[in-house]
Amino acid sequence: AQKVTQAQTEISVVEKEDVTLDCVYETRDTTYYLFWYKQPPSGELVFLIRRNSFDEQNEISGRYSWNFQKSTSSFNFTITASQVVDSAVYFCALSGKTSYDKVIFGPGTSLSVIP
Amino acid sequence: DVKVTQSSRYLVKRTGEKVFLECVQDMDHENMFWYRQDPGLGLRLIYFSYDVKMKEKGDIPEGYSVSREKKERFSLILESASTNQTSMYLCASSYRQGNTEAFFGQGTRLTVV
Repeated sequence: AQKVTQAQTEISVVEKEDVTLDCVYETRDTTYYLFWYKQPPSGELVFLIRRNSFDEQNEISGRYSWNFQKSTSSFNFTITASQVVDSAVYFCALSGKTSYDKVIFGPGTSLSVIP
Repeated sequence: DVKVTQSSRYLVKRTGEKVFLECVQDMDHENMFWYRQDPGLGLRLIYFSYDVKMKEKGDIPEGYSVSREKKERFSLILESASTNQTSMYLCASSYRQGNTEAFFGQGTRLTVV
């Protein structure tokens, strides 16, 4: 069975601190996709990144970076020099290789960045 | 810009009422989804559709049905609303090919009293 675990329910950091959001997944598929979404207080989930299981390169986009490690089934998300606008709920998600496969979401991590 | 629009932001209904939640997308996406979001549980898939008139059960379909008569519109129906269906409902859409990301609406917060 597929499963996504985000062990951190809530995190608070002071502005400009770095913060890492953990994501651990379980799947028996050899081909799969991992996603991160951000849900700001307005409610609409916003896509951040997609990674397929064959691409283990870390990715950096501005202050955001992602560390994908198949050996530990983890896909962690780091925000460098956090800002108040980063306050949101962040979801990690997993899907199989086809578009007909369900997307499984983790429970989410609520991040509060304090000015 | 892709837009997924849900008909209501907030809704209050009485127990036993039939409730319709409407979702429209404007990007010609084949796939459409209905999720339910509850604290600590993340997003749970209720139903999804990968084509007009096609539907597949998600993880928690009990008490819900769906309708997709047109490609751009996906409706979630609560046949007889109950208080345990009080929740945030999120609609999403995506292209069928390539397992691409989903685009979400702003959600409908439904309260059943």
